Amino acid sequence: EVQLLESGGGLIQPGGSLRLSCGASGFTITSYVMGWVRQAPGKGLEYVSTITGDSVHTYYADSVRGRFTIYRDNSKNTLFLQMNSVGAEDTAVYYCARRQELRAFDLWGQGTMVTVSS
Amino acid sequence: EIVLTQSPGTLSLSPGDTATLSCRASQSFSTNFLAWYQQKPGQAPRLLISGVSSRATGIPDRFSGSGSGTDFSLTISRLEPEDFAVYYCQHYGSSPLYTFGQGTKLEI
Repeated sequence: EVQLLESGGGLIQPGGSLRLSCGASGFTITSYVMGWVRQAPGKGLEYVSTITGDSVHTYYADSVRGRFTIYRDNSKNTLFLQMNSVGAEDTAVYYCARRQELRAFDLWGQGTMVTVSS
Repeated sequence: EIVLTQSPGTLSLSPGDTATLSCRASQSFSTNFLAWYQQKPGQAPRLLISGVSSRATGIPDRFSGSGSGTDFSLTISRLEPEDFAVYYCQHYGSSPLYTFGQGTKLEI
């Protein structure tokens, strides 16, 4: 079955670090642009970051650039998001997603909740 | 920077009705990188339409997308109970790379 499964969310203090993981099954992540999209409680969808299939290019939303790092472990078919210097504004459900050729996200994980609070 | 504005914020209809959701871009764009998603409470978004009008795999033909320039729409005909959800449009551009509209809630 083709699916994405996120993990790594939880409660973290302001200024702390957290790493999110997204395991893919049923397809190879190196064949796709992969990314993260987040959704704050009761709010809409917000783009966070994407990485190309060859990992050469990474892109970030202005709100996370310099604090978050996206990368992948091809041997494990897994995508990661390293989150540093987090703040309350980073509290959200983080979705891992696969991007298709028309620049839309056609496969989503179930999401992992990140709560930043002291 | 392209901003997507969806309207209405909430649309109240009944099963069997036709829903028309609007997504207006702050600037015209020449590409067809406009998508629509459906999200139900507690669930991840689901891709409905990409490339303005191409239905994603498994999406019934009751869902259709159209538009160009700055005005895009998602039409859902013969509404069924499971169609009541929040709908988002999304554009791929340059800066920011991916932009989402604020969403339209389709309620009974």
